[in-house]
Amino acid sequence: AQKITQTQPGMFVQEKEAVTLDCTYDTSDQSYGLFWYKQPSSGEMIFLIYQGSYDEQNATEGRYSLNFQKARKSANLVISASQLGDSAMYFCAMRERSGGSYIPTFGRGTSLIVHP
Amino acid sequence: DTGVSQNPRHKITKRGQNVTFRCDPISEHNRLYWYRQTLGQGPEFLTYFQNEAQLEKSRLLSDRFSAERPKGSFSTLEIQRTEQGDSAMYLCASSEDRGSYGYTFGSGTRLTVV
Repeated sequence: AQKITQTQPGMFVQEKEAVTLDCTYDTSDQSYGLFWYKQPSSGEMIFLIYQGSYDEQNATEGRYSLNFQKARKSANLVISASQLGDSAMYFCAMRERSGGSYIPTFGRGTSLIVHP
Repeated sequence: DTGVSQNPRHKITKRGQNVTFRCDPISEHNRLYWYRQTLGQGPEFLTYFQNEAQLEKSRLLSDRFSAERPKGSFSTLEIQRTEQGDSAMYLCASSEDRGSYGYTFGSGTRLTVV
């Protein structure tokens, strides 16, 4: 079963506008972590933001914020004031305990295009 | 520290040949992960080390895939008897114990099996 679901294969946003990228997850664990990564066309995976399952406040990092709704198992990424350089693939990931290990699992990604 | 380093960046091999990729993690990171990424997909978890111990290997795609981290520093991923379906980007990532700082990825090794 898919642990991380990203339902938007592609999103378009006007430069300087805000955009929300959706992510829902499935876990029976109480302790887990959620991440967002950016992958530009050059291929490197860039860590953006982290939210722990016990964190009461939504995580923020500069223009990135994570809208964490635990009851809905939702961890949407909000990018404010989009820039042309934000055009990339965005992946949501969850780290959960599996046996004695913590295994990060990634979604299929959302392609974001920022146009002028 | 220059981050996670992967070599080679590109590898073209003939079907049936064996290939080995190397990953040098960030020196203070004791956790190391291997992923495979095919076009249009997210990274797919393969295996994971904590220091030299391979703690999860059930997700390796077949018995043709194996990984080692002999001294708890660099790691190698080997694919034996390569098949065309093995063509993909192979990513390595490392992290500290806490993991809340995220996983630092290398630039990957792109494998093409012809």
